[in-house]
Amino acid sequence: DGGITQSPKYLFRKEGQNVTLSCEQNLNHDAMYWYRQDPGQGLRLIYYSQIVNDFQKGDIAEGYSVSREKKESFPLTVTSAQKNPTAFYLCASSPARRAETQYFGPGTRLLVL
Amino acid sequence: DAKTTQPPSMDCAEGRAANLPCNHSTISGNEYVYWYRQIHSQGPQYIIHGLKNNETNEMASLIITEDRKSSTLILPHATLRDTAVYYCIVTYTGNQFYFGTGTSLTVIP
Repeated sequence: DGGITQSPKYLFRKEGQNVTLSCEQNLNHDAMYWYRQDPGQGLRLIYYSQIVNDFQKGDIAEGYSVSREKKESFPLTVTSAQKNPTAFYLCASSPARRAETQYFGPGTRLLVL
Repeated sequence: DAKTTQPPSMDCAEGRAANLPCNHSTISGNEYVYWYRQIHSQGPQYIIHGLKNNETNEMASLIITEDRKSSTLILPHATLRDTAVYYCIVTYTGNQFYFGTGTSLTVIP
């Protein structure tokens, strides 16, 4: 099956710890994205990458970091600098051409204890 | 990218057509209109998108007004599984989406 996988589905972290969320796709898409969603809100873009070894900040990049060493993988690290990290995190991918759609993974729910 | 305005919630009877409106009065000529939906605690699902012409696929129809300042997503025969939050997005690049709060559609048996 082709698609996007995110793991784990639920993640707990102690305050002050860094945590890395996994996102893998086997759709051969060039572009990948990370979004954050808070309860009752829409999605907000954290980071995106159009090509391997390149990525750009989105609207709320502070307290987050990413890497794009492989086309199929785009891990997101939530650092201790992120003041309110509890949220639902969604990864997406798309072909890097104009007007292509984004395909989303199932999401990871992060809870800071 | 242009921003959009959607009603916060709507109800629709099962089996009837659901018509979800979206205003995008500041849309520019090269911006597309996309529709996604999100069922609770899942990732958003792509529905349809268009530029100027009306579009139809197996899920829905998209009607864009001639001046492109508004559009309507039509689910022709709503089912209970169509209960979700529906997002209307306008974007030039197709890869920088602004998701507002969308319309929460409830399909009533």
